[in-house]
Amino acid sequence: SQKIEQNSEALNIQEGKTATLTCNYTNYSPAYLQWYRQDPGRGPVFLLLIRENEKEKRKERLKVTFDTTLKQSLFHITASQPADSATYLCALVPNDYKLSFGAGTTVTVRA
Amino acid sequence: GAGVSQSPSNKVTEKGKDVELRCDPISGHTALYWYRQSLGQGLEFLIYFQGNSAPDKSGLPSDRFSAERTGGSVSTLTIQRTQQEDSAVYLCASSPAGGFSSYNEQFFGPGTRLTVL
Repeated sequence: SQKIEQNSEALNIQEGKTATLTCNYTNYSPAYLQWYRQDPGRGPVFLLLIRENEKEKRKERLKVTFDTTLKQSLFHITASQPADSATYLCALVPNDYKLSFGAGTTVTVRA
Repeated sequence: GAGVSQSPSNKVTEKGKDVELRCDPISGHTALYWYRQSLGQGLEFLIYFQGNSAPDKSGLPSDRFSAERTGGSVSTLTIQRTQQEDSAVYLCASSPAGGFSSYNEQFFGPGTRLTVL
C-alpha cells in the first residue's frame, strides 16, 4: 500500500541550530514533492516545491533535497528561530492533481 | 488580497444532524479542493473541482458526504446524518489551475473544526 512517513516524534531544537525533517514514501512515483508549514488553528502554507529531476532546492534558510532512489526528501531549516516553530507537512504529487500528505512533524525551536 | 475563507470556523452538532461547510476560494482560481484533517493524521483528500469539469469525488468516505461548487466559485461540503467519526478539521484549498500544472501551490483556508457529539 502507499505510505508517506514523516518523523514520528516532535523535534525540539535550540535556536540557531539546523532542524532536519525527513519524508519517506513507499509505492509512489511522485513527479514532484511539496513542503508546507502549518500553524495551530490555521491551514497549511506552501513553502517549497522540488521536482523529481532536481536534487536540491533552497529558499532563504530552507533547503529541500529529493532522492527518488531512496524515496526520501529531507527538509532543513538552518539558523532556526523560535518563529520557525510549527508543523511541517510533506506532500507528494504522483502525476495528477491530488496531493498525498504526510502526517507532519512538529518543530519547536527554543530561544 | 483576500485569501481562501471558510465558514463557520467551528461547528458543534449532534449525531444524526446534517451540516454544511462553506468555502470561498481566491477569486480567479479554477481548482478547488476539500480535505479532512483528523488529529495526528495527514490531510485526507475528499473532492476536487476544476472549472466546469465533473468533480473528482473519489476521496469522499461515504455517500453521506457531498459537495457542490456553484458558478465556479463558492463551494459547499455537506455531511448528512453526521457520525462521531466525522469529527475533524475540514480544509478547503484553491489553486490557479489543476491537472498537470498543479505544481502550482495550493492556498488553504483556515478550516472548519467540526465536532459531532
